Amino acid sequence: EVQLVESGGGLVQPGGSLKLSCAASGFDFSASPMHWVRQASGKGLEWIGQIRIKTKNYATAYGTSMKGRFTISRDDSKNTAYLQMNSLKTEDTAVYYCARPKGFCLNDACYHWFLSWGQGTLVTVSS
Amino acid sequence: DIVMTQSPDSLAVSLGERATINCKSSQSVLNRSNKENYLAWYQQKPGQPPKVLIYWSSTRESGVPDRFSGSGSGTDFTLTISSLQSEDVAVYYCQQYYTTPITFGQGTRLEI
Repeated sequence: EVQLVESGGGLVQPGGSLKLSCAASGFDFSASPMHWVRQASGKGLEWIGQIRIKTKNYATAYGTSMKGRFTISRDDSKNTAYLQMNSLKTEDTAVYYCARPKGFCLNDACYHWFLSWGQGTLVTVSS
Repeated sequence: DIVMTQSPDSLAVSLGERATINCKSSQSVLNRSNKENYLAWYQQKPGQPPKVLIYWSSTRESGVPDRFSGSGSGTDFTLTISSLQSEDVAVYYCQQYYTTPITFGQGTRLEI
């Protein structure tokens, strides 16, 4: 059974940093790109970004409003993906999900929808 | 970025009746080479992560009841629930994966 478990959320002050983890099991993690998606309370879904696999040099891509502040990484030896968030703003308050995609990648582009999701971890940015 | 716009924002449908949710993209998500539309639909119930229902605009994910169907092409898409059940109360989202950044519609709340 595929399981994704996010952790690391909590309360952080504006301007602060936080690193989220996503522990994966039940599938070949090293062979799967991974994504992060967030959702503010009562709001819609917002794609944060993705990380590809080792043979694609762990290439990353990010949503427009996250570039430069958020960094996705992974440790295949630990079956874990990470989301480093810096310079946090109040509007970053949300539940953060990691997701295992389905679809394919071709050359430099990936075409993914999201097959499996974690339960999410809440990040609250407030003074 | 491709903007995804859903309509309506919310709707109420009687049990056993048909529910129709629309999704419009600001540019085409049809790949003319493989003739596939790069569009997915999700269902999200309170306190749960989203669950994929449909991908390639009309392919039902394994285990999804056949009362759920997707249609459309290019920029205009529809999710149809043929006979609404009580367990279908949820928020529904469309998502394009034609290009990055991946973008979602704002969601449609479906009630009985």
